[in-house]
Amino acid sequence: DGGITQSPKYLFRKEGQNVTLSCEQNLNHDAMYWYRQDPGQGLRLIYYSQIVNDFQKGDIAEGYSVSREKKESFPLTVTSAQKNPTAFYLCASSIEVGRAYYNEQFFGPGTRLTVL
Amino acid sequence: AQKITQTQPGMFVQEKEAVTLDCTYDTSDQSYGLFWYKQPSSGEMIFLIYQGSYDEQNATEGRYSLNFQKARKSANLVISASQLGDSAMYFCAFQGGSEKLVFGKGTKLTVNP
Repeated sequence: DGGITQSPKYLFRKEGQNVTLSCEQNLNHDAMYWYRQDPGQGLRLIYYSQIVNDFQKGDIAEGYSVSREKKESFPLTVTSAQKNPTAFYLCASSIEVGRAYYNEQFFGPGTRLTVL
Repeated sequence: AQKITQTQPGMFVQEKEAVTLDCTYDTSDQSYGLFWYKQPSSGEMIFLIYQGSYDEQNATEGRYSLNFQKARKSANLVISASQLGDSAMYFCAFQGGSEKLVFGKGTKLTVNP
């Protein structure tokens, strides 16, 4: 079955530690995205990548870093510079960039990060 | 910058009745798309329905339909014959020239038996 996997589902880390969230897709999608969701809020874009070895900052990129070495993978690192990292993180992918306005994003199941 | 507004933090509906979830947007783009997603308590985002700005007909997908009023910049989701499993958060999202999705803050729908 094609889809997006995120691991782990729950993650606990001590304050000041970097942590990497995994996102893998086997949909052969070009574009991948990372979102953050806080309680009672919508999704906010952290980073996105339209092609391998290229990525752009979203609206709240400070304290986060990403890489896109393979089409299938788009890991997100939450660094110690992120002031309030406890949140629900969602990864998404879409088929291609530039497709005229029907660029549905498919989402993974999410990772809930808690910093102690 | 585009802005999406969902004015209803929470909505209640009786099972088998219809419910409308509101969404308004603000944009100067001529071509754009509007999406609705459902988020159950488990957290995953489930795509429900899409409306393009040039689509002449309102979008429909099973029990979901979109009441698109372009001049008023609104794209309300209508769920007919509500079921208990429809209880979830519902998010409206806008996609314009930048191709990024901008999400509203969501509406929590509770379906009562």
